Amino acid sequence: GQNIDQPTEMTATEGAIVQINCTYQTSGFNGLFWYQQHAGEAPTFLSYNVLDGLEEKGRFSSFLSRSKGYSYLLLKELQMKDSASYLCAARTGRRALTFGSGTRLQVQP
Amino acid sequence: KAGVTQTPRYLIKTRGQQVTLSCSPISGHRSVSWYQQTPGQGLQFLFEYFSETQRNKGNFPGRFSGRQFSNSRSEMNVSTLELGDSALYLCASSLEGLRTDTQYFGPGTRLTVL
Repeated sequence: GQNIDQPTEMTATEGAIVQINCTYQTSGFNGLFWYQQHAGEAPTFLSYNVLDGLEEKGRFSSFLSRSKGYSYLLLKELQMKDSASYLCAARTGRRALTFGSGTRLQVQP
Repeated sequence: KAGVTQTPRYLIKTRGQQVTLSCSPISGHRSVSWYQQTPGQGLQFLFEYFSETQRNKGNFPGRFSGRQFSNSRSEMNVSTLELGDSALYLCASSLEGLRTDTQYFGPGTRLTVL
């Protein structure tokens, strides 16, 4: 079966760095996506990792270790607008995305 | 380039009724996937269409069905609605639906079943 775990909630301070972890157990793994979802809105694409290592994109970075079934999303210089849910999703051999339950991040002043 | 659009944005139905939701993908995108999002279950995959054919299906009952038209627009239908079908239904499009393709989501249709 497919299983993806991520923390339910996290709190961080404006200007700080936060790391959101995701562990997965899937068959036919073909990459790991991170999406951001603000309340009442659609998920928006943040990053995609298929090979081991770190992908950096501005204030956001994502890391993947396929051997460990582990990924993290790193957010730097946190802003209030970063308060949102962050969804980890694994793509399986059947091309479908299996999503974790999401991590609700609250950025405080 | 316009994003993924979904209509209607909000819908209220009663148990036993049926409903049809519509999705227009990003221009040039040929793959359309549908997801159900609920507070308890998160985002769950319903099905994927490519070139008017269902290419992939999640673990949902047969009451959930869909189709895709030649212009890549897609509809999903839910028959004999149940209270548990209340959810946000999201459509996502990608170029070819390949393993490396990124899926872009529409704003969703919020369905409430009374």
